[in-house]
Amino acid sequence: AQSVTQLGSHVSVSEGALVLLRCNYSSSVPPYLFWYVQYPNQGLQLLLKYTSAATLVKGINGFEAEFKKSETSFHLTKPSAHMSDAAEYFCAVSYPNSGYSTLTFGKGTMLLVSP
Amino acid sequence: ETGVTQTPRHLVMGMTNKKSLKCEQHLGHNAMYWYKQSAKKPLELMFVYNFKEQTENNSVPSRFSPECPNSSHLFLHLHTLQPEDSALYLCASSQVGQAGELFFGEGSRLTVL
Repeated sequence: AQSVTQLGSHVSVSEGALVLLRCNYSSSVPPYLFWYVQYPNQGLQLLLKYTSAATLVKGINGFEAEFKKSETSFHLTKPSAHMSDAAEYFCAVSYPNSGYSTLTFGKGTMLLVSP
Repeated sequence: ETGVTQTPRHLVMGMTNKKSLKCEQHLGHNAMYWYKQSAKKPLELMFVYNFKEQTENNSVPSRFSPECPNSSHLFLHLHTLQPEDSALYLCASSQVGQAGELFFGEGSRLTVL
């Protein structure tokens, strides 16, 4: 079954430290990949997307992600964490065999940032 | 108003009540979605509407009844719900064919007693 896996339900970092949130997909055909963020009591907001162009994708708030086909991964990184980055992050995929018409989400990773 | 607006933000209902959730988008999109977000589970797609026509029903129980009168409005009618239906219900919109680029509302937090 086609799916997306986020490793780690919680990730804790100190302010100023590197942020790394992991996402792996399972598919023989490269999908479109997305990262969304959800702040407390809010809906989800698109951070960045990969749609078969450049493999290194830059998003909002200093986040970026790299598509690695050999590793079937799309990990999210930010060089220096800020307190305001504390939120839940969701990796999501859509597949060509569905016409990219639906999005499948991972279970999410809660990012905790300490002073 | 801009973006995607959901009302009510919070709803408490008994198992025999009938209530509705409302979603309105001001983005000029032509696709709308209902998602269910429960603790410790991935977001679950419930319904998809493209140009007011339902294109996907993800095996949702009939106690959830969607309605899409036009491309800007989406409703979720609730009837005879179960306690396990308690969750955050998120509405989203996009352009047709760009299902990955969703714009979400803030959600309606539903509690079924």
